[in-house]
Amino acid sequence: ELKVEQNPLFLSMQEGKNYTIYCNYSTTSDRLYWYRQDPGKSLESLFVLLSNGAVKQEGRLMASLDTKARLSTLHITAAVHDLSATYFCAVDNFGNEKLTFGTGTRLTIIP
Amino acid sequence: SQTIHQWPATLVQPVGSPLSLECTVEGTSNPNLYWYRQAAGRGLQLLFYSVGIGQISSEVPQNLSASRPQDRQFILSSKKLLLSDSGFYLCAWSGYWNTGELFFGEGSRLTVL
Repeated sequence: ELKVEQNPLFLSMQEGKNYTIYCNYSTTSDRLYWYRQDPGKSLESLFVLLSNGAVKQEGRLMASLDTKARLSTLHITAAVHDLSATYFCAVDNFGNEKLTFGTGTRLTIIP
Repeated sequence: SQTIHQWPATLVQPVGSPLSLECTVEGTSNPNLYWYRQAAGRGLQLLFYSVGIGQISSEVPQNLSASRPQDRQFILSSKKLLLSDSGFYLCAWSGYWNTGELFFGEGSRLTVL
């Protein structure tokens, strides 16, 4: 059974600081996704990582994938309040297009 | 462009009552369709998955069922709701370009009392 673990589960950080969210998964996969969820809202797709070494960047967020280590990271640079949300990673289990989601990381940016 | 809609957005139902949540996708054909549930403060659990009309895969045993009567319509149902059915239900679709990326609807928040 595929397990997807994120850490930390909760993260409170000051504006302007850098931090990284980690996503570990338990089985072989080369497809990993990052989503953002605002309180009470649905999920918004942020990044699609489809190969080992893939790196994607959008604004202050950068995601990378290391399939050998079964690890993805979401790096936040110079955080701003608008980035406060819950971030989920999700893994495609053997390419069957049924995503297994991590537990989420609730990020709070403090002014 | 493709869009996905869910309704109702919010509902409060008594224990033992029936349930019907609907989801439709526009702007694409033969999408894969999904129902996920998110309990309060938790991650997402895949409930049902469909690759075509009448083709439903159940991921978790429960008192819910799903149907796909049309190519772009996905329905989640229950005959008798339980307290544990409360949660945020999300419909999603994935497209023909085979990246596996899911696109989610706005969600339906169900409270069972």
